[in-house]
Amino acid sequence: NAGVTQTPKFQVLKTGQSMTLQCAQDMNHNSMYWYRQDPGMGLRLIYYSASEGTTDKGEVPNGYNVSRLNKREFSLRLESAAPSQTSVYFCASSASGQAEAFFGQGTRLTVV
Amino acid sequence: QKEVEQNSGPLSVPEGAIASLNCTYSDRGSQSFFWYRQYSGKSPELIMSIYSNGDKEDGRFTAQLNKASQYVSLLIRDSQPSDSATYLCAVMYNQGGKLIFGQGTELSVKP
Repeated sequence: NAGVTQTPKFQVLKTGQSMTLQCAQDMNHNSMYWYRQDPGMGLRLIYYSASEGTTDKGEVPNGYNVSRLNKREFSLRLESAAPSQTSVYFCASSASGQAEAFFGQGTRLTVV
Repeated sequence: QKEVEQNSGPLSVPEGAIASLNCTYSDRGSQSFFWYRQYSGKSPELIMSIYSNGDKEDGRFTAQLNKASQYVSLLIRDSQPSDSATYLCAVMYNQGGKLIFGQGTELSVKP
């Protein structure tokens, strides 16, 4: 029962480096999401994908890009990491617009 | 103004009391509303979902929705120390299934 799997769990980057956060779900869900969580800020939506082949900006998309590679996988890319992108990143998926979202275990990213 | 607003707390209640958590949202067309619980260092997990006006009860939890006032709340009866966590309100917006969260309310239940 893997659910939503995120890799890596922890990452330290230097300013200006790039990296891709991976997310895969095995529940045959249509919708997938990327959030960041900072202290006192709740979860802020970065990008989402309502179905395979579509992606849309969320609340805080600047500095990020996404790819919905197929129905299972939704990746988040930081092209040039900045200290302001230090955060915990969560991937989530849901069956449809009205269904609950299931979350991965999170990726703790530190940019120095 | 954030699209989904919650009191950030912390909210402290004694064991056995009722905890009341509140949330307002800005999009009148929203159809789906969720409450998630998040323990420190863990991922959010769903407690309740509600889609129509009125109350929905599940054990010690009751969700209340008032679409005219754009308001959704969560009541926790007989609060337990194990209920101490951050509670996140989430709203599904009509356009394209965008799921937006509030900033969360930290609840502390004192024995």
